[in-house]
Amino acid sequence: AQSVSQHNHHVILSEAASLELGCNYSYGGTVNLFWYVQYPGQHLQLLLKYFSGDPLVKGIKGFEAEFIKSKFSFNLRKPSVQWSDTAEYFCAVNAWTNAGKSTFGDGTTLTVKP
Amino acid sequence: KAGVTQTPRYLIKTRGQQVTLSCSPISGHRSVSWYQQTPGQGLQFLFEYFSETQRNKGNFPGRFSGRQFSNSRSEMNVSTLELGDSALYLCASSLVSASGEGDTQYFGPGTRLTVL
Repeated sequence: AQSVSQHNHHVILSEAASLELGCNYSYGGTVNLFWYVQYPGQHLQLLLKYFSGDPLVKGIKGFEAEFIKSKFSFNLRKPSVQWSDTAEYFCAVNAWTNAGKSTFGDGTTLTVKP
Repeated sequence: KAGVTQTPRYLIKTRGQQVTLSCSPISGHRSVSWYQQTPGQGLQFLFEYFSETQRNKGNFPGRFSGRQFSNSRSEMNVSTLELGDSALYLCASSLVSASGEGDTQYFGPGTRLTVL
């Protein structure tokens, strides 16, 4: 069975601070990895994804994530956050053999103070 | 392309009633999955439909059911509603590749169900 663990439930940063959100997954096969963002009152949007190739992937709004296979990790980073990045962030995984079923982490609420 | 659409956006029901939620996937997407989102349990997978067949099922009671039509649109039904069924129900659609590589789920805005 797949599982996803997000290390931080709530992160508070000031504008221009750097962000790193941790995500570890458990699954023995080949996976697709995702970060989704849910802004207040809005639906889940895809930030970025990794499925093969370069382990450093870039997404929208200046976000990037690095896949480290040996650590089963897929951490999200942004060098300088903005107030508009205040949202909930979800890490998710699905297996290549069963891509219609995604497993999500519990989410990290990011609050950016202006 | 239009995104995933869900109707209705809000529903209020009472215990014991049943409810049907609808989802229209992105054009060309053949897989539709349903998730329940609650503050306490997060995002929980309900089931996935592909080519009108249920391909995956999560750990929910039989009161939760679904179906998919030939145009890939999907409906989800919850019978005998309980207070604990109050949640945001999300639908996601994806293209289906032969290998599963890169298959990405795109989410709709959800249906907010309140059970009184």
